[in-house]
Amino acid sequence: EAGVAQSPRYKIIEKRQSVAFWCNPISGHATLYWYQQILGQGPKLLIQFQNNGVVDDSQLPKDRFSAERLKGVDSTLKIQPAKLEDSAVYLCASSLVGHLSYEQYFGPGTRLTVT
Amino acid sequence: GESVGLHLPTLSVQEGDNSIINCAYSNSASDYFIWYKQESGKGPQFIIDIRSNMDKRQGQRVTVLLNKTVKHLSLQIAATQPGDSAVYFCAESRGATNKLIFGTGTLLAVQP
Repeated sequence: EAGVAQSPRYKIIEKRQSVAFWCNPISGHATLYWYQQILGQGPKLLIQFQNNGVVDDSQLPKDRFSAERLKGVDSTLKIQPAKLEDSAVYLCASSLVGHLSYEQYFGPGTRLTVT
Repeated sequence: GESVGLHLPTLSVQEGDNSIINCAYSNSASDYFIWYKQESGKGPQFIIDIRSNMDKRQGQRVTVLLNKTVKHLSLQIAATQPGDSAVYFCAESRGATNKLIFGTGTLLAVQP
């Protein structure tokens, strides 16, 4: 079974630029998550989708971050404009429908460096 | 509240010894507790989980213990191997949305 795919793996941008990350979840997984992991910390949930609807985006900085999951499969996370403190690894995870399975499968992440 | 770690605790063990990694959680209403292993450059990988109505669960070479009285979770790894070297995170799962709240990680360094 193929795992969660993410691209790009690395990205370096200057502050105030925009950036987008892509995620392809495990086939059949209805729930998709985006996490931000700052160096030395555990992942922090940014947004959770079930199919193409948003379940939880309470910790998403909506003034600069946006995410979408068209057709309930792939998802993109965008930052515009980026700030220095956005430097982190952005992890995508997927699971079966949330209340039926707690096990989340993570992708390798995208390491973002904002200079 | 959520755990935020500024300094990563480190546990150094000899190959073949048993390892015990500890975690304090914050919310007594959490339904599940999960341990994840994260190797350098990779995403977290599920190791083992335990429901809030249990106090012990065993897997292959790993055991998770849950003490709800003091809100403490531990991961025991038997016969630690070099491949076990990684950062280990505990996480709480809350509510119907299965939101995960991660704790501060622990770096496990296995010395040959």
